[in-house]
Amino acid sequence: DIQMTQSPSTLSASVGDSVTITCRASQSINSWLAWYQQKPGKAPKLLIYKASSLESGVPSRFSGSGSGTEFTLTISSLQPDDFATYYCQQYNSYPFFGQGTKLEIK
Amino acid sequence: QVHLVQSGAEVKKPGSSVKVSCKTSGDTLSSYSISWVRQAPGQGLEWMGGITPIFGTTNYAQKFQGRLTITSDESTRTAYMALNSLRSDDTAVYYCATDTTSHSPNGAFDIWGQGTVVTVSS
Repeated sequence: DIQMTQSPSTLSASVGDSVTITCRASQSINSWLAWYQQKPGKAPKLLIYKASSLESGVPSRFSGSGSGTEFTLTISSLQPDDFATYYCQQYNSYPFFGQGTKLEIK
Repeated sequence: QVHLVQSGAEVKKPGSSVKVSCKTSGDTLSSYSISWVRQAPGQGLEWMGGITPIFGTTNYAQKFQGRLTITSDESTRTAYMALNSLRSDDTAVYYCATDTTSHSPNGAFDIWGQGTVVTVSS
């Protein structure tokens, strides 16, 4: 299995801040990486696929980058609706999710 | 537009089995793969396995081999996830999900069911 290590596990920020979440794969996954947002009691929502492609309808303040083993999700100018938990997921092989990053209001 | 609608909450005894359904819309089953992902209380997401009806294939995470069966019925446009020998640590929300750009269970899941709570308790 290709393991995914996501950091940090918790992130505190204020509205208007820019934040970055990192995901590291145990071996190269090329660009087969997705990012999701999940709010309590809801199914995950796809934000980014293929490392840097923005899913339709997702605000442009979300961006993804990276390839190989190192990836980042950046949220610029945080909005109140962005405080949630974020997961990375590799799909180079059987899907595997990172542990999640809880983005909290400072 | 693709929709996935799951069956309702289940309460099961340890050692028993559960079967959760995922009703799809349109020609979803003839076009895409359906995966099952679970989330234990307060925990992260865990891919369990998937089915690709057009290829007649199923894929399972090693952790669930022998205990998990994923099937589909194209006549009712429904996919199923059956898990046996239930334990308390199988208590979780179970989601079906699909990548509408791919025939593979190895995808970025753009459509999700609403989730089914399965509680395993004596």
